[in-house]
This record gives sequence, structure tokens and C-alpha cells, in this order.
Amino acid sequence: GQNIDQPTEMTATEGAIVQINCTYQTSGFNGLFWYQQHAGEAPTFLSYNVLDGLEEKGRFSSFLSRSKGYSYLLLKELQMKDSASYLCAQALKAAGNKLTFGGGTRVLVKP
Amino acid sequence: GAVVSQHPSRVICKSGTSVKIECRSLDFQATTMFWYRQFPKKSLMLMATSNEGSKATYEQGVEKDKFLINHASLTLSTLTVTSAHPEDSSFYICSITGTGQETQYFGPGTRLLVL
Repeated sequence: GQNIDQPTEMTATEGAIVQINCTYQTSGFNGLFWYQQHAGEAPTFLSYNVLDGLEEKGRFSSFLSRSKGYSYLLLKELQMKDSASYLCAQALKAAGNKLTFGGGTRVLVKP
Repeated sequence: GAVVSQHPSRVICKSGTSVKIECRSLDFQATTMFWYRQFPKKSLMLMATSNEGSKATYEQGVEKDKFLINHASLTLSTLTVTSAHPEDSSFYICSITGTGQETQYFGPGTRLLVL
């Protein structure tokens, strides 16, 4: 199977920065996604990385290193509304458009 | 991104009955739709992949006769949970993607409770 590992939970303070790491198996890699999911709601798309490097979108940035099978999602200037689960998901060449999701990282932002 | 709707958002049914969940793409030609199931505090588990006009491809361990999927048009797919049991209670989420697209856009989900 495809193993995608990310921490289970992280806690940070409002206004701070949090980095959520994700490791995946490199074989057949075809892109890495990050989704945000609030409790009881469906995931919303945050970012897609297929090439190495950092992609910045406002307060959120995502990084990819294909050789290391590693990605991170960086959340800056944390707000209370950022408390959610963040899902790392990998697309595989052999699987069409299917995604394999990690277990998700629950981020709790405290005042 | 694409706008996806699901209906109903929440359903309670008796054990043994069937429940149909609709997934609609409101502004996008969804050549492929995916159905996921998510248990509390767990990640999304893919159930099946559905291409418009074709039979769905089910993931290992998912019973195709229990979870009937129909993808008759580029904007609508349905998942029918037949002879529902309490263990089928879960959050069912659909997602869509288009030809040549990698990003999946998710519907708001349907919470099913089987009594």
C-alpha cells in the first residue's frame, strides 16, 4: 500500500507559524495535495505541488522535495479559524486521478 | 475551483432500507467522480471511482452490490447504499475532477446514520 505519514495533532498560538510535515513513498509519484477540513465538513483544496520548491498562497505555503519524498504545509499568522484538520494526499501515475490520503493533522489554534 | 453539491446533507434510516445520495457538479464537466467514506477522526477512504457513462471501479474491500454507483451524466453521480446496516453509518463525500485535471473538488458530504 501507499504510506503517507503526517503528525496526528499540533497546537499553536494565534499569530504564530506552524509547519505540518508529510512524507510519502516516491515510487510512481504524480503530485502532492494539501486539503483543509473543518470538523463535519468536506475537504477544501489548499495546494498542489508537482515540482520541487515552495509555492506561496497568502498565509499558506507548500513545499515539495521529490527526491526526499517530503512535503510540508506552512501556515503563517495563524488565526482561530485555521483550527482544522490538514490532509496530505498523493496522486499516483498508475492510478489515474486517484488520491491516497494521509491520516490528517489536527491543528488547534489557541488564543 | 469547481462547485459541488450533495443531497441530502444528512439522513437517518432504518436498518435494511436503501439510501440514495446524489452528487452534482454545478459548474464543471465532471468526467470522473469519486466516492469516499470517512469515519470519525479518520481520514478519507476511497470507495470507488466513477467515469461518466462507464461502470464504477471499486476499491478492494468495497462491495459493489451494496454500494451502487451510477454516473449517467457529466454533472450527476449517485451512490445508493443498499440494505443499510448500522456499521454503514458514516460521512460520505464525493469529489469531482475533469479530463486532464489533477485537483479533486469535494462536495459538502452526507452524514448517514443507520438505526
